[in-house]
Amino acid sequence: GNSVTQMEGPVTLSEEAFLTINCTYTATGYPSLFWYVQYPGEGLQLLLKATKADDKGSNKGFEATYRKETTSFHLEKGSVQVSDSAVYFCALSDRGVPEIIFGSGTRLSIRP
Amino acid sequence: DGGITQSPKYLFRKEGQNVTLSCEQNLNHDAMYWYRQDPGQGLRLIYYSQIVNDFQKGDIAEGYSVSREKKESFPLTVTSAQKNPTAFYLCASSIKVADTQYFGPGTRLTVL
Repeated sequence: GNSVTQMEGPVTLSEEAFLTINCTYTATGYPSLFWYVQYPGEGLQLLLKATKADDKGSNKGFEATYRKETTSFHLEKGSVQVSDSAVYFCALSDRGVPEIIFGSGTRLSIRP
Repeated sequence: DGGITQSPKYLFRKEGQNVTLSCEQNLNHDAMYWYRQDPGQGLRLIYYSQIVNDFQKGDIAEGYSVSREKKESFPLTVTSAQKNPTAFYLCASSIKVADTQYFGPGTRLTVL
């Protein structure tokens, strides 16, 4: 079946540090891949997505590249800010399957 | 201003009472979803609906019920049969099933 595995948190970084949050997936078809962000007490916001191999999703300085050969979709940002502190979820959607499969989330804390 | 609204933001109920959570969207999306999130965990699908007057069980439907009488609305009832109802509930919608999902702000339910 389909599944998503992402690195466990919490991840704590200093402001302006480089961020990588690893995400790998298992899918029977050709899924679309997503990163969602959840700020404290709020719902999930779509951060970026990629729908086919080698696509790069980007938004607000975050990037992730759909790597079919390594079944990965790692999230990166060159210089994090305190306001990036949140929980980040990697997710996949497979054609014909109604639900999005979520990873367990990675809590990111940025210290000034 | 298009989006998904959930009300109320916080809800307290006594054990043994049924409670209904509201979800409304004005995005003209056909598909709607309910997820449950427990502390430190990912999201689990409760129910989803592809079109009006149709809905399907997700992974954890026991103790919950839904209706889809209007395209804009997908209320969730947490019944007294749900063994551990205290959680954060998230509603989402998408143009069609398996398309990109957009989330509401969530309702935090506490059963006392």
